[in-house]
Order: sequence, then C-alpha cells, then structure tokens
Amino acid sequence: SAVISQKPSRDICQRGTSLTIQCQVDSQVTMMFWYRQQPGQSLTLIATANQGSEATYESGFVIDKFPISRPNLTFSTLTVSNMSPEDSSIYLCSALGVDRGRTEAFFGQGTRLTVV
Amino acid sequence: QKEVEQNSGPLSVPEGAIASLNCTYSDRGSQSFFWYRQYSGKSPELIMFIYSNGDKEDGRFTAQLNKASQYVSLLIRDSQPSDSATYLCAVNPGNQFYFGTGTSLTVIP
Repeated sequence: SAVISQKPSRDICQRGTSLTIQCQVDSQVTMMFWYRQQPGQSLTLIATANQGSEATYESGFVIDKFPISRPNLTFSTLTVSNMSPEDSSIYLCSALGVDRGRTEAFFGQGTRLTVV
Repeated sequence: QKEVEQNSGPLSVPEGAIASLNCTYSDRGSQSFFWYRQYSGKSPELIMFIYSNGDKEDGRFTAQLNKASQYVSLLIRDSQPSDSATYLCAVNPGNQFYFGTGTSLTVIP
C-alpha cells in the first residue's frame, strides 16, 4: 500500500497570507486529489491534481484561490491563497494506487489550518 | 444525482448489537466498492472492499452488494465502543473514486 506524507500537520496563519501544503507519496500513483473537511463534516473534493497539466477543479473552487502543482507522479502541493477565517478547515490529500491488484484510495495525515 | 449517497445518521446502537450501514451508487458499471472508517480528527482508513462478484466477511465486518438495487451495505457484528466513527462508502468506476458523505456511528456502552 502507498504511504502519503503530508505536511504541515497543522498551522495557524494570519488572514491575507498564503499556505502551501505538500504531499509526498512513496510510490508512483495514477491520480492525486485534494479534499477539504470541516470538523464533523464530509469530505469535499477541491480538485484533481494532474501530472504535467493544470488541475481539474470542482464547482466552487478556483485556481487563483487554490493553486495546485503536480510536477511528477509522487508529489503534489496545494496552496491556500489570501486566506480568510472561512478557510479554516482540515485539508487532505489522497492518491489512487494499486494494492494487491485492486485500486485503492490512500490519504495523507491531513493539515489542520486555522486562520486568525 | 450524486454518485454515492449515504444516510448521514447519526446511527446509535448498543454495545454487542449489529450495526447496519448502507449506501447507494448511481454508476451501474461500478465494479469495486469500499468502506472507509474515519475517527474524529483522523484521516479515513480502508476497512473493507468488495468486487461486484460477491460479498465479503472479515472478522466482525461483512460487506454486501445488491447490484440490482445498486446499494452496498456494511454490517458490524458485536459492535464495540471503539467502532464509533464515521463510515464512508466509496465506489471506483473507471479512473475516478467517489466518496459518500459518511454515516456517523455511535456504539453505546
């Protein structure tokens, strides 16, 4: 199974600043995703990180606010730009990998972001 | 219509009882089905998966598929307080992975 290292695990940021979250996978994976999750709420897909091309954003999320990079098959970053308190949430990266012949979704440990 | 739908709950069962969780999916071509467990403040972790060709039992957990009605269920026998978590159903049609909104389960000692 793939192991995803996500950092930082948590941060407290001033409004108007930006934070970049990194995810490193220990093996090549086909797809990587970024989610947001409010405490006690469901996962909300922000975007699919595409290797070598622009990310595919879900409705309600735009590149200017959440720029994403994926320079290779094992690494991706999500930047939360010009933050406001409404951006306070848990951000999770996820990857699709193959484990014992089946496709499975793996998750990073999450980044708990607080904007003050 | 969402790809995967779940009752958000909360579902409460007494310790030792059977907890039954369900989800429905829209893509009739889906071949793989997953159940993830998420404890509060933690990332989701895979606990069960089944292919479209049959049910699966693993310890206290049983995953069942009803292809005709397009729903997947997870049964937890002899529920324990440590089973209290949110359970996410997911399907994997093609290159995508769709999660339900999750069902919150509380096992009451």
